[in-house]
Amino acid sequence: GAGVSQSPSNKVTEKGKDVELRCDPISGHTALYWYRQSLGQGLEFLIYFQGNSAPDKSGLPSDRFSAERTGGSVSTLTIQRTQQEDSAVYLCASSFTDRDSPLHFGNGTRLTVT
Amino acid sequence: GQSLEQPSEVTAVEGAIVQINCTYQTSGFYGLSWYQQHDGGAPTFLSYNGLDGLEETGRFSSFLSRSDSYGYLLLQELQMKDSASYFCAVTDDKIIFGKGTRLHILP
Repeated sequence: GAGVSQSPSNKVTEKGKDVELRCDPISGHTALYWYRQSLGQGLEFLIYFQGNSAPDKSGLPSDRFSAERTGGSVSTLTIQRTQQEDSAVYLCASSFTDRDSPLHFGNGTRLTVT
Repeated sequence: GQSLEQPSEVTAVEGAIVQINCTYQTSGFYGLSWYQQHDGGAPTFLSYNGLDGLEETGRFSSFLSRSDSYGYLLLQELQMKDSASYFCAVTDDKIIFGKGTRLHILP
């Protein structure tokens, strides 16, 4: 079946603009995660959803970052007033609820803030 | 807080065996996972340990000791295609990743 789909694959934006990144998880997956990865670095946890609820938003770097999930499916990560330090690859992953269920990652959105 | 420690780089020879260690400190713990990521690609799942002991999947094995907050990934019969970054990840209420270990394989 279809995997996790993220759009856009690449986004170049000017400093100060808002951006929206979209994630379409695998059908039936109730858990959805957002991570950020800078070049050659690890995966920085941002937020996760169980259904439409976000039990843990502690990873969001600032109040410029927000995320929502509707219908237990598609999720949108919004970054307001982008800064150059926001440049990174934003990865979305989904899984079943079971704790031993593996994460399936999308190919990411490469965000460049100029 | 939560923290995971793994070596930043490891080098091994094609055909050999390599072990990548991971130690963790978390408030809660359900299991330890391993993911592989090739340059420019997305992370892919390799293994999960919820209980102490060794899990084997083909050339890859993963070990967990909950009492020591320690695990490792063992790669046998190394192939050039195994050159990648390997991440350990802890599951408590969410899944947190380590910074990754870059594996270099020499011919």
